[in-house]
Amino acid sequence: GNSVTQMEGPVTLSEEAFLTINCTYTATGYPSLFWYVQYPGEGLQLLLKATKADDKGSNKGFEATYRKETTSFHLEKGSVQVSDSAVYFCALSGGGSNYKLTFGKGTLLTVNP
Amino acid sequence: DAGVTQSPTHLIKTRGQHVTLRCSPISGHKSVSWYQQVLGQGPQFIFQYYEKEERGRGNFPDRFSARQFPNYSSELNVNALLLGDSALYLCASSLAIGELYGYTFGSGTRLTVV
Repeated sequence: GNSVTQMEGPVTLSEEAFLTINCTYTATGYPSLFWYVQYPGEGLQLLLKATKADDKGSNKGFEATYRKETTSFHLEKGSVQVSDSAVYFCALSGGGSNYKLTFGKGTLLTVNP
Repeated sequence: DAGVTQSPTHLIKTRGQHVTLRCSPISGHKSVSWYQQVLGQGPQFIFQYYEKEERGRGNFPDRFSARQFPNYSSELNVNALLLGDSALYLCASSLAIGELYGYTFGSGTRLTVV
């Protein structure tokens, strides 16, 4: 079945540092890939997505590229802010009739001023 | 525009009891999905409904059931509650089903079973 493995946290960075959160996946077919963010006490918000190989998703300074050859979708940001502190989830949605989201375990990011 | 609305926001139940969680999707959205998020883990898929029909079911026991109403709102029911059912239950709505349609999540219902 489908699965997502993402970098274990927690990750602690200083403001303006570079961020990478690794995500790899296992799936049949050609899934769509997502990054969701969860702020304390809130639900999930879609951060970015990519629907086919070599697509780059981007939003709010975050980027991730769909790499089919390495089955990866790593999240990057060049300069993090305190307000980026949250839990980040990598997820995939399989093709065919299976449109459920399969999530990784999440990575807690804390950015210190 | 109202987002995805879930009620109640918090709930405490005793083992063996039954619980009903409710979700109102974004206006115009016809698909609702339910996820369970145990503390420290990623959300796990429970059910997906589209046009009032079940279109997917995750690996959860028969104690979990759901339905979608003609106005596209949805209920998740859990019978014979166990301590392990304590979790954040998330509802997600989308226009239709398919990867091209994004999912919008509600803030969830925090269920505590004691």
